[in-house]
Amino acid sequence: AQKITQTQPGMFVQEKEAVTLDCTYDTSDPSYGLFWYKQPSSGEMIFLIYQGSYDQQNATEGRYSLNFQKARKSANLVISASQLGDSAMYFCAMRDVYNQGGKLIFGQGTELSVKP
Amino acid sequence: ETGVTQTPRHLVMGMTNKKSLKCEQHLGHNAMYWYKQSAKKPLELMFVYNFKEQTENNSVPSRFSPECPNSSHLFLHLHTLQPEDSALYLCASSQEVDGTGYYNEQFFGPGTRLTVL
Repeated sequence: AQKITQTQPGMFVQEKEAVTLDCTYDTSDPSYGLFWYKQPSSGEMIFLIYQGSYDQQNATEGRYSLNFQKARKSANLVISASQLGDSAMYFCAMRDVYNQGGKLIFGQGTELSVKP
Repeated sequence: ETGVTQTPRHLVMGMTNKKSLKCEQHLGHNAMYWYKQSAKKPLELMFVYNFKEQTENNSVPSRFSPECPNSSHLFLHLHTLQPEDSALYLCASSQEVDGTGYYNEQFFGPGTRLTVL
């Protein structure tokens, strides 16, 4: 069965510094996708970045990058140059590429607080 | 309207009430989802609709009844709920790529915060 684990319930980072949010996963499927979402206090889930299991390069989107280590089954999110607006819950999620309906399995989330 | 919208944003109901949550996606997607997010818990998938057909019911109690009249609208009908059903209910949509079984990322609505008294 698929499983996503985020072991950091809460993280603090100083403004303008980089921070890494951990995510490990478990699946027996060779084809899968990994996602990171941001959830501000308003509640809406905002898609940040995607990594496919066959992608050769780590995904990057602006200040977000995904440190994908397939052998270790980890997909950590790196946020560079943190901003106060980055304070939010962050969720890692996984999906089998060929499953029915594209459903996602989410981790428990990490609450990031950016200090001025 | 753009993206995924949900109404109402907040709902307070008694255990004997009947209410409905509405979700509408303006993205032209062909898959829609209901998630439940309780405090201090990860998102739990409730239902999946693909091309208006329900493809997943994640052991959800029958007091939650989904309806998908077309690929743009998704409802969640609520009746005789329990206080433990109080949560944030999130709707999402995504697009299957050309019948491949591969789905792009999900886009979420702002959620309905439900309180059951």
